[in-house]
Amino acid sequence: DAKTTQPPSMDCAEGRAANLPCNHSTISGNEYVYWYRQIHSQGPQYIIHGLKNNETNEMASLIITEDRKSSTLILPHATLRDTAVYYCIVRPWGTASKLTFGTGTRLQVTL
Amino acid sequence: EAGVAQSPRYKIIEKRQSVAFWCNPISGHATLYWYQQILGQGPKLLIQFQNNGVVDDSQLPKDRFSAERLKGVDSTLKIQPAKLEDSAVYLCASSPAGTAINTEAFFGQGTRLTVV
Repeated sequence: DAKTTQPPSMDCAEGRAANLPCNHSTISGNEYVYWYRQIHSQGPQYIIHGLKNNETNEMASLIITEDRKSSTLILPHATLRDTAVYYCIVRPWGTASKLTFGTGTRLQVTL
Repeated sequence: EAGVAQSPRYKIIEKRQSVAFWCNPISGHATLYWYQQILGQGPKLLIQFQNNGVVDDSQLPKDRFSAERLKGVDSTLKIQPAKLEDSAVYLCASSPAGTAINTEAFFGQGTRLTVV
């Protein structure tokens, strides 16, 4: 599976957009980009995933570069409840493919 | 819909004792995962089931860890004997299967194990 690189930590002011980068330069054509987050003392929670097009849902937007070597998760209006560790995961296509977590980015949203 | 249920939430045991964790996935989910999360690290996959068959157990320490998923529904993860380094949160997750498109995995709240 392709490896991902994320900054260990980021800060964001409440109400501002949080832009979390992820590098996946060795991604192959059949691999999707997934984002999960883990709030303290909870299990990881799915946010969004994409293959090559930008995606948006009620939680976030995912921007994938044209060469697919990097992506950015955007939380448009961060709140204190968005404070969590965010994991960028590259996952092969397939009904039973592995979900492999790295160390993620710890996002701290402040007043 | 009901989420992934895990029990117990917390467990404290002495080293060399045995312990078992239970997971009830979301109804109808064919894929079940067990992860180990050591403090400060991301979750590490221990074992993945597809129905009641093992898809991947390459990172399961088989000399002390075992897992089963009877009838393709509930699952148990056992550690025997436990070591101090097994102190971690054990997470269970499930996802639907049977389609050609990856789907999201839903996680339980985990069981926090402390080995003393």
